[in-house]
This record gives sequence, C-alpha cells and structure tokens, in this order.
Amino acid sequence: EAGVTQFPSHSVIEKGQTVTLRCDPISGHDNLYWYRRVMGKEIKFLLHFVKESKQDESGMPNNRFLAERTGGTYSTLKVQPAELEDSGVYFCASSQTAPGWTGGEKLFFGSGTQLSVL
Amino acid sequence: GESVGLHLPTLSVQEGDNSIINCAYSNSASDYFIWYKQESGKGPQFIIDIRSNMDKRQGQRVTVLLNKTVKHLSLQIAATQPGDSAVYFCAETHGTDKLIFGTGTRLQVFP
Repeated sequence: EAGVTQFPSHSVIEKGQTVTLRCDPISGHDNLYWYRRVMGKEIKFLLHFVKESKQDESGMPNNRFLAERTGGTYSTLKVQPAELEDSGVYFCASSQTAPGWTGGEKLFFGSGTQLSVL
Repeated sequence: GESVGLHLPTLSVQEGDNSIINCAYSNSASDYFIWYKQESGKGPQFIIDIRSNMDKRQGQRVTVLLNKTVKHLSLQIAATQPGDSAVYFCAETHGTDKLIFGTGTRLQVFP
C-alpha cells in the first residue's frame, strides 16, 4: 500500500514568491491534515479536511495560506506571497477515521516538504 | 524530508541501555496521548498511544507512562538500539482531531 506522498520534498523560494505544496493521501482516506514545523520547534496543526470539506482550519496562520482538496483526493497548500517566517517543514497526514476515535496508529504522515524562504 | 533539528533537548544513551524520554503537557482536559518517532528525512511515525483512563501501556520494547496529576508523559525504550536514534515527539488531543505536539527530544544511541 502506498503511503502519504508529498511533493516537492524541498522548495527554495524568495520572499514574495508563491509556492504550492501537494499531498496525496493514502487511497480511501477521508481525513487529511496539514501540519508544519517551523525553525525546529514543535509540530503545529494547520488544518483538517474531511473529504473535500474543511473541518477545522483554526491553525492556518493568516490569509496568505490557502488549502484546497478538490474532489476529496489530493490536497494543495499554497503560500502567497511567501514570507521568511514561513520557512519550515510542512507535513501532511491522512487517516480513514479520526485518530481520537480509533487510535494514533491509524494516522499516517508523509515525509514532509522542506520550505526555505530566502 | 527534514533534517533533525539542531537545538532540541538531547538524550544520549549507550546501546543496550534503557532510555526514558519525558514530556509535559499543559491541558488537563487532554484525553488521548501519542508518541511519535521521526527519523531524518521522514515524517512522524506512530510508536504507542495511551488514553487518559490508563496510566501505563506496554508495547514491544516500549512503555508509555501517564501521570495525570502532574500532567506528565514518558516513553521508556528498553535495550535501546542504534535504530532507535531519532527525534521523539509526544502529542495530545482532547476530543478533537487536532493533535498538539511537544517540542521533541533527540535520542542519540552510541555503541
């Protein structure tokens, strides 16, 4: 079974540019999450999709971030315009059911996208 | 992928020894806790979890202890191996799908 895949693995852009990160969850997983780890600090929640709907976007830092999940399959996270403080690692995770219900072993993370804004 | 953080608390242990990684959480309403392992270039990987109605849970070579009185969580790894070298994160949730992660601890295993 293929895991959660993220693309690109690394992205280096200049301040003010736009970057789009992509996440392909495990097939059949309705829940898709975005998290990020900035400057080696803790991993922070960004948002949660259930199929194509945003269930919780309370972690999105500001309106420069836009997440979509058209058709309820893959998701994109766009940062426009990027700022220096956006640098970090962006993780995507997916699960068939919410982790609080069935267990953390059902939540699978991708390898992340390392974003560097110069 | 991601390189391991450079400024994390670090625990260095000798191969074969037991490791104890600690985590403090702040929300007394949290009812579910998870330990994750993150190796360089990979995403967090589930190790073990525990619910708030328990104070101990054992897996293969790993044990999680939960002390709700002082809001403390620990991960014990028995007979630590070189393959255990990674960054370890605790995470908590309280009735929602949103995980709240700790800052992470780097475990280094030397021969």
